[in-house]
Amino acid sequence: KAGVTQTPRYLIKTRGQQVTLSCSPISGHRSVSWYQQTPGQGLQFLFEYFSETQRNKGNFPGRFSGRQFSNSRSEMNVSTLELGDSALYLCASSFGQSPSKGNEQYFGPGTRLTVT
Amino acid sequence: AQRVTQPEKLLSVFKGAPVELKCNYSYSGSPELFWYVQYSRQRLQLLLRHISRESIKGFTADLNKGETSFHLKKPFAQEEDSAMYYCALRARGGADGLTFGKGTHLIIQP
Repeated sequence: KAGVTQTPRYLIKTRGQQVTLSCSPISGHRSVSWYQQTPGQGLQFLFEYFSETQRNKGNFPGRFSGRQFSNSRSEMNVSTLELGDSALYLCASSFGQSPSKGNEQYFGPGTRLTVT
Repeated sequence: AQRVTQPEKLLSVFKGAPVELKCNYSYSGSPELFWYVQYSRQRLQLLLRHISRESIKGFTADLNKGETSFHLKKPFAQEEDSAMYYCALRARGGADGLTFGKGTHLIIQP
């Protein structure tokens, strides 16, 4: 079974631009969560999608948005990029919505975004 | 809001010695606790969760609600245990996703 894939793996953008990151979950998984990882703040929850609906959202500004398609693939978008958005963005998928109900979250390799 | 604290950024022990990675949390309700591990050049992966009461790769963790702790322990460290370890909490109902600690870099010396 193929693991969670994220594209692109590396990205360099300029302040003010917008970016779209993609995540393909493991086949059969319906839940996709996004996290931001930075040296200063560590791993922070962005949002979670299940069956094309955003179920949970972390404490991030509205510039961060996402969506999920009918095939469970998910995208996240960051508009008006700031230098502080430079980070590793991780995607995780699971069969069900909650990782505690026997549905382990599988993480992708991440997309490294650099904003200059 | 919930918080997870891992007081040690770096922990170095010798092979064969016991290991204890500390994790403390603050949450007003009844949390669900997890340990994740990231080996060099590999993805973040779930190591164990408190509700399963399991031992994975010799590691165990007990939820102590009185001390609000979920320390990870292994009686005899092995070199392949060297990795980044993250403690994570999810509130009942999961309204806020997983809250991670900053992680502890465990180094097992030969």
